[in-house]
Amino acid sequence: AIQMTQSPSSLSASVGDTVTITCRASQAIRKDLGWYQQKPGKAPKLLIYAASSLQSGVPSRFSGSGSGTDFTLTITSLQPEDIATYFCLQDFSFPLTFGPGTKVNI
Amino acid sequence: EVQLLESGGGLVQPGDSLQLSCAASGFTFTNYPMAWVRQASGMGLEWVSYITRGGDTYYADSVQGRFTISRDTSKNTLFLQMNRLRAEDTAIYYCTADVGFCSGPCYALFDYWGQGALVTVSS
Repeated sequence: AIQMTQSPSSLSASVGDTVTITCRASQAIRKDLGWYQQKPGKAPKLLIYAASSLQSGVPSRFSGSGSGTDFTLTITSLQPEDIATYFCLQDFSFPLTFGPGTKVNI
Repeated sequence: EVQLLESGGGLVQPGDSLQLSCAASGFTFTNYPMAWVRQASGMGLEWVSYITRGGDTYYADSVQGRFTISRDTSKNTLFLQMNRLRAEDTAIYYCTADVGFCSGPCYALFDYWGQGALVTVSS
């Protein structure tokens, strides 16, 4: 199975900051990666698919990049409502695997 | 309005069986692959199982041979039959729809999610 790692595991930033979260796959996965946001007590929400495509309705301050093994989620101008845990998910091959998550605090 | 409504969760003993259901509405259920994702308390997300439109199924190693995913298109319902449950299966189970996107390769887009069903396995 493809292993996904994320860094950092948590971070604290201020409103207006730019935040970068990294996800690394144990083998090349092309651009087959999505980013999900999860707020406490809620189901995950899709932010980014195919590594860099913004899902409809998601604010443009969210962006993704990368291919192969290294991927990045960037939140430009962090907002209070962005407090959440962010997960990457590889959909290159089964079993699908999530990263362990990055908790973003303000 | 898209809705995925899970049911069937509860408290069971180790070794017991349980079936989760996920009733879908507001979208064409037959058009989308579906999946189950679980989350233990305070932990991350774990993909559990996936079923394609054609009925092909895939499982995480941790549940292979114990869990069975299925769908009833006449009832717009997704199921997860869970047998020989273990304490480590305790989690909130979410059903999710893969709305998918193809541009050359195809990508999974888990865009519709239920509210989750709590399964607790304890003696």
